[in-house]
Amino acid sequence: EAEVAQSPRYKITEKSQAVAFWCDPISGHATLYWYRQILGQGPELLVQFQDESVVDDSQLPKDRFSAERLKGVDSTLKIQPAELGDSAMYLCASSFSLGPTGELFFGEGSRLTVL
Amino acid sequence: AQSVTQLGSHVSVSEGALVLLRCNYSSSVPPYLFWYVQYPNQGLQLLLKYTSAATLVKGINGFEAEFKKSETSFHLTKPSAHMSDAAEYFCAVSGRAGNMLTFGGGTRLMVKP
Repeated sequence: EAEVAQSPRYKITEKSQAVAFWCDPISGHATLYWYRQILGQGPELLVQFQDESVVDDSQLPKDRFSAERLKGVDSTLKIQPAELGDSAMYLCASSFSLGPTGELFFGEGSRLTVL
Repeated sequence: AQSVTQLGSHVSVSEGALVLLRCNYSSSVPPYLFWYVQYPNQGLQLLLKYTSAATLVKGINGFEAEFKKSETSFHLTKPSAHMSDAAEYFCAVSGRAGNMLTFGGGTRLMVKP
């Protein structure tokens, strides 16, 4: 069964360091999302891509976060510098199309701990 | 703008008992509504979705949900809880502009033997 792949699964870093997360969506899925899930809360959208273009990054803290999907396939989310409040699960999801009824398929997430 | 409120961050039921997880939504356009389940240290998996067809939606693992426009609700139910149902459940809404999901805060379901 096709899956959304994410790495690393776990990352521990010190504040002010740089971290990066990678996501490979299900083959053929044009839409890719990065969500942040703080412990005990629901996921919050950080950025949405359609192919290589950003559809929505209004909730992405652009002073320290960046995301790219250069060839419209896999994607990288970067944080530099990391802050204590960035500790969370970072979830990548993909869907076949941009329509509102499409199912999102989630990866297992990357759990970040900032010390 | 759209939002979701899940009443009760923790729900505990006995094995075999009815499961009822509450979700109320707010949306300026006719909503599409979803329930996702998350097991510890895993991603989210779709349980079911409402996309303006039948108001009673059946999903996987014996779960179902009923869309009630007059109550702006989309509660999740299962007639008989199983130990394997213990997980976190998220209600989510999307609008017609795209499938950016807005999630509720989640309800952790605990099942007692």
